[in-house]
Amino acid sequence: AQSVTQLDSQVPVFEEAPVELRCNYSSSVSVYLFWYVQYPNQGLQLLLKYLSGSTLVKGINGFEAEFNKSQTSFHLRKPSVHISDTAEYFCAVTHISSGSARQLTFGSGTQLTVLP
Amino acid sequence: SQTIHQWPATLVQPVGSPLSLECTVEGTSNPNLYWYRQAAGRGLQLLFYSVGIGQISSEVPQNLSASRPQDRQFILSSKKLLLSDSGFYLCAWSAQAEEPQHFGDGTRLSIL
Repeated sequence: AQSVTQLDSQVPVFEEAPVELRCNYSSSVSVYLFWYVQYPNQGLQLLLKYLSGSTLVKGINGFEAEFNKSQTSFHLRKPSVHISDTAEYFCAVTHISSGSARQLTFGSGTQLTVLP
Repeated sequence: SQTIHQWPATLVQPVGSPLSLECTVEGTSNPNLYWYRQAAGRGLQLLFYSVGIGQISSEVPQNLSASRPQDRQFILSSKKLLLSDSGFYLCAWSAQAEEPQHFGDGTRLSIL
């Protein structure tokens, strides 16, 4: 079984400042990792994913994340945030398997609020 | 391209009434389908998933059920709603290969 911990439930940041949203996971097997964003009263939109290869993953809207296997982390970063980035962000993990449904385990979410 | 539709967008139901939420996917065949519930201020909880027609796996025992009568249709049901069933219900799909899950816009369910 796997679990995901998002260390900060709320992150306020000023516009054009950098931001890092932290995510740690635990799993006894190799995993795939994802970040999703949820705007109010909407579904989740995929920001980026790590399946294999380069540990630095670039996503949409200028976000990137780095997979650190030794620290079991997958932190999300953006060098300069905009007001429109205000949303809830979810980290998710699934174990690597073949031929079966991928059951995602989600963190509890981080509310990013960008202040003018 | 693939799209996922959920309806209704919002629903207000009295305690003890039945429930039927529908989700359909277009532009793909034999997808994996998922139902999640998101309680206020909390993360997502996987309720059911399906790898094919008539194949349903339940993650959490409760008074909800799911069915997949067609390849790209996934239905969440209840015979008698409880107050604790309030929440935001999300349907998602994924391809059989190494692809992430894609979510619908959700249904906001309020139980009175």
